[in-house]
Amino acid sequence: NAGVTQTPKFQVLKTGQSMTLQCAQDMNHNSMYWYRQDPGMGLRLIYYSASEGTTDKGEVPNGYNVSRLNKREFSLRLESAAPSQTSVYFCASSVGTSGSNEQFFGPGTRLTVL
Amino acid sequence: RKEVEQDPGPFNVPEGATVAFNCTYSNSASQSFFWYRQDCRKEPKLLMSVYSSGNEDGRFTAQLNRASQYISLLIRDSKLSDSATYLCVVNENYGQNFVFGPGTRLSVLP
Repeated sequence: NAGVTQTPKFQVLKTGQSMTLQCAQDMNHNSMYWYRQDPGMGLRLIYYSASEGTTDKGEVPNGYNVSRLNKREFSLRLESAAPSQTSVYFCASSVGTSGSNEQFFGPGTRLTVL
Repeated sequence: RKEVEQDPGPFNVPEGATVAFNCTYSNSASQSFFWYRQDCRKEPKLLMSVYSSGNEDGRFTAQLNRASQYISLLIRDSKLSDSATYLCVVNENYGQNFVFGPGTRLSVLP
């Protein structure tokens, strides 16, 4: 099992460009998440999907959109990138909607917006 | 005030030392608590869940104090491989809102 995979690993964008970060999991998990991690701050939840077909905003959703394409895949889209979106983005998944479930993280995407 | 606070460190300790980290949380409705470990430039991985009665996993002991709203992690007999950042994570109301602390960095020195 690959667990949680993310592409790309690194990306440099210019302000105003758009891109989609891809995430897939092969653990048959119901819930998937997108976080961003900035220096000196904890991971912050951008969006999550409790189950296939549903998505909800997290703490910092502005400037992002998501798609739960199927049970395996959860993508994050930046429509018009801004320097403030320079960050490390982590995708995660968990078995179910219970908050007691362990989250499994992908290796991250390091995004720089110039 | 941040929802989950941790001493950022770094904690520099010699091999074999015992080190303790504390984490405080502001939401008294929080229900689930975890310690994750994150190596440099890697993804976080679950170290252990924290139960009300406290729990131990080998050299690691986690405690929860609901009255004072803090969680602790004790590492005994530190190994070089324990060097990492330790993230305190709190979940509210068994929902999807996982709140991460900023992490505490540990360096175990030979």
